[in-house]
Amino acid sequence: DTGVSQDPRHKITKRGQNVTFRCDPISEHNRLYWYRQTLGQGPEFLTYFQNEAQLEKSRLLSDRFSAERPKGSFSTLEIQRTEQGDSAMYLCASARGASASTDTQYFGPGTRLTVL
Amino acid sequence: EDQVTQSPEALRLQEGESSSLNCSYTVSGLRGLFWYRQDPGKGPEFLFTLYSAGEEKEKERLKATLTKKESFLHITAPKPEDSATYLCAVSGGSYIPTFGRGTSLIVHP
Repeated sequence: DTGVSQDPRHKITKRGQNVTFRCDPISEHNRLYWYRQTLGQGPEFLTYFQNEAQLEKSRLLSDRFSAERPKGSFSTLEIQRTEQGDSAMYLCASARGASASTDTQYFGPGTRLTVL
Repeated sequence: EDQVTQSPEALRLQEGESSSLNCSYTVSGLRGLFWYRQDPGKGPEFLFTLYSAGEEKEKERLKATLTKKESFLHITAPKPEDSATYLCAVSGGSYIPTFGRGTSLIVHP
């Protein structure tokens, strides 16, 4: 257990529905990352926060995806109008360091999303 | 654009049979190369960070090395509990790590 928690662990939804995932990072970590991982692939970067500021978003992150980190604590990732292609494991990681480029990232257990 | 290629995709070893996993990378100004271990259905678990060519790090049966073009993860006398997917990632000019697809390792007793 790294100390990063994600909720829910599994989510099954129908195409077109909205879903929201939550990530609670290690308490003293100021950076929080979201990734998506499909079977047989490595994690794919989506977005990251430093404290409450969203500093970078992948161009792969369509306008159906939005993330927040109010007060620099927990974070939520919302997917609107889900599509079958959104089915994946959504991973959250947190870090504390001098620079995002050298961060040791501690990952949560992930949220497995299945879109029917 | 940063790129990471891991080989082999899958590796089967007998317990005690040492081997190496390869991570080849292309990056504009390497800032860090990371190795993670991932068990099925779980998030990646951090193993090592390497920052410059020639650097080596060890942890139990694992040793990571780095050159200007690739990194190796050497596994000495592996045990069945070492079975997992090993992921390599690099960060460079984009600051955000780019992950490879991983090497799936199975160690048979």
